[in-house]
Amino acid sequence: DVKVTQSSRYLVKRTGEKVFLECVQDMDHENMFWYRQDPGLGLRLIYFSYDVKMKEKGDIPEGYSVSREKKERFSLILESASTNQTSMYLCASSFTQGTYNQPQHFGDGTRLSIL
Amino acid sequence: KQEVTQIPAALSVPEGENLVLNCSFTDSAIYNLQWFRQDPGKGLTSLLLIQSSQREQTSGRLNASLDKSSGRSTLYIAASQPGDSATYLCAVPSNTGKLIFGQGTTLQVKP
Repeated sequence: DVKVTQSSRYLVKRTGEKVFLECVQDMDHENMFWYRQDPGLGLRLIYFSYDVKMKEKGDIPEGYSVSREKKERFSLILESASTNQTSMYLCASSFTQGTYNQPQHFGDGTRLSIL
Repeated sequence: KQEVTQIPAALSVPEGENLVLNCSFTDSAIYNLQWFRQDPGKGLTSLLLIQSSQREQTSGRLNASLDKSSGRSTLYIAASQPGDSATYLCAVPSNTGKLIFGQGTTLQVKP
């Protein structure tokens, strides 16, 4: 079975802190994604990556950056956390071969609170 | 621009009932459609993926159908159980591979 692991289930940080959210997948997937989920707004894509050291902006990249130094790991970075970044963050991964025919697999999510 | 809609937003049924969840999309040129389940405070669990060339997929008590021409998919749950209570999301990939999600249907199955 595909395993997508997010480093923290719950995280509480202070305004202005630099925050790192980590995601690791064990299925050698080329594609990795970071979404955030908010009530009434659904899931929105922040950043995604098709390969090591490669990144593409999603729909709401402002205030975030990402790092993909190794194929299995995709990190989301909040450069200076703000209260409007309090949310559920979800990582996903999928294969590249016939990308559009391959399912995305999600981690358990990180509930981030910025105080 | 692709838009995905799920109606109703919430559904409550007695245990044992067969039920149908609906998903519609505005652009019929999709590659596939994926159904997910999300329990409160948890991540998404992939239930079924239907390729654009397929009409339906089955997994246990779940059956998903796809009608591209009408822009619709349904998720049929047979003999519902309290453990089926969750939010069900459908999603289609964009040209870049990102998923476009519906808002979800929150299902409650009462014992």
